[in-house]
Amino acid sequence: QITLKESGPNLVRPTETLTLTCTFSGFSLSATGVGVGWIRQPPGKALEWLALIFWDDDKRYSSSMKTNFTIAGDPFKSRVALTMTNVDPIDTGTYYCGHALYSRGYYQFDSWGQGTLVTVSS
Amino acid sequence: QSALTQPPSASASLGDSVTFSCTGTSNDINIYNYVSWYQKHAGKAPQLLIYEVNRRPSGVPDRFFGFKSGNVASLTVSGLQAEDEATYYCSTYAGSDNYVLFGGGTRLTVL
Repeated sequence: QITLKESGPNLVRPTETLTLTCTFSGFSLSATGVGVGWIRQPPGKALEWLALIFWDDDKRYSSSMKTNFTIAGDPFKSRVALTMTNVDPIDTGTYYCGHALYSRGYYQFDSWGQGTLVTVSS
Repeated sequence: QSALTQPPSASASLGDSVTFSCTGTSNDINIYNYVSWYQKHAGKAPQLLIYEVNRRPSGVPDRFFGFKSGNVASLTVSGLQAEDEATYYCSTYAGSDNYVLFGGGTRLTVL
């Protein structure tokens, strides 16, 4: 059974650096065809994809986000981190990590964590 | 930036069917069979309903049916149940700069 759980600070100040961690079980990030991604949902708004890391350490980032993101994986510790620098109040929202399943050329998020609410405010 | 357009809301009665649309462009839905649909209840994590336009993950009932025509993808939910009241998001691949693209979501009210 695949499980994922997000963790990190609930409140950060503007311009600070935020690091969120996704701790997972039931799969290996080193296994071919596996990925882990980050998606967020600002309050009252739609889902936004942020970043995705693949089993071979390849990474993809959303080109539409203004905040700088870095995704990093630690397959030995079953964790994936998302680091955001110079955060802004627009980064407030619920952050989810998801297991990305590869199928015929693409990935889709078939398992999700429960999400963690992050508020950016002074 | 490309975007997937979904109507913000829809409503239908218990037992009826409803179809959600997701309009992309000639650079995404039209050329890639990578459309996914997610169901999201308020306060809960999204759940994958459909991937690759019309494939259902194990455990998703066949009341959920996906298809596409041109640059429009659609999700039909038949035999509506009260628990289907949620927001439905489409998603697709839109090129290397938009590896994952979500629509704005359609909120379903079951009457």
